Amino acid sequence: SAVISQKPSRDICQRGTSLTIQCQVDSQVTMMFWYRQQPGQSLTLIATANQGSEATYESGFVIDKFPISRPNLTFSTLTVSNMSPEDSSIYLCSVWTETPWEQYFGPGTRLTVT
Amino acid sequence: AQSVTQPDIHITVSEGASLELRCNYSYGATPYLFWYVQSPGQGLQLLLKYFSGDTLVQGIKGFEAEFKRSQSSFNLRKPSVHWSDAAEYFCAVGAVDTGRRALTFGSGTRLQVQP
Repeated sequence: SAVISQKPSRDICQRGTSLTIQCQVDSQVTMMFWYRQQPGQSLTLIATANQGSEATYESGFVIDKFPISRPNLTFSTLTVSNMSPEDSSIYLCSVWTETPWEQYFGPGTRLTVT
Repeated sequence: AQSVTQPDIHITVSEGASLELRCNYSYGATPYLFWYVQSPGQGLQLLLKYFSGDTLVQGIKGFEAEFKRSQSSFNLRKPSVHWSDAAEYFCAVGAVDTGRRALTFGSGTRLQVQP
């Protein structure tokens, strides 16, 4: 299993600013993911972040808006840039473990943009 | 590409009654299937998963799910619901035959439990 922590747990930000969300895992994992969960909605994958390579973004998400770093096998950051109210969501970090084959989620970062 | 449909947006059951949450998936090969639960203000907790083998899988908190390939379904069941089961439930599908590990989630079913 994997235990994931995220910082901050929540934040209120002004439009036009940027917020960096940190994700820390208690074990080394190859695959990390960032999801967005808009209010009352399901989870949408933003990008896959593997250590040692550039993040792979899903359709509709771009690196300039959501830059991701993955400096090692236990840590990643997601930055939400030039925020607008439409970015108000819960952002979840997730990891895939090979033993067992499972995907684990962090507690999420609740972002409100005013 | 894979997709998941959860036809029921909201379900209300009485405490002690049985529960079935529906999930239909679309994927060209053998999928791997998951059910997660999200309580208010909480992250996602894995209830159970299916990769292969026995099509009836047991999970935590007394939940089980049955994989039916002919119906492309993976419905979640519980024989007797407790008030603490009130939450949002998500079905998710992943691809076994590719290197992609990220899951695709359904829209979720919100479960309300009446006393």
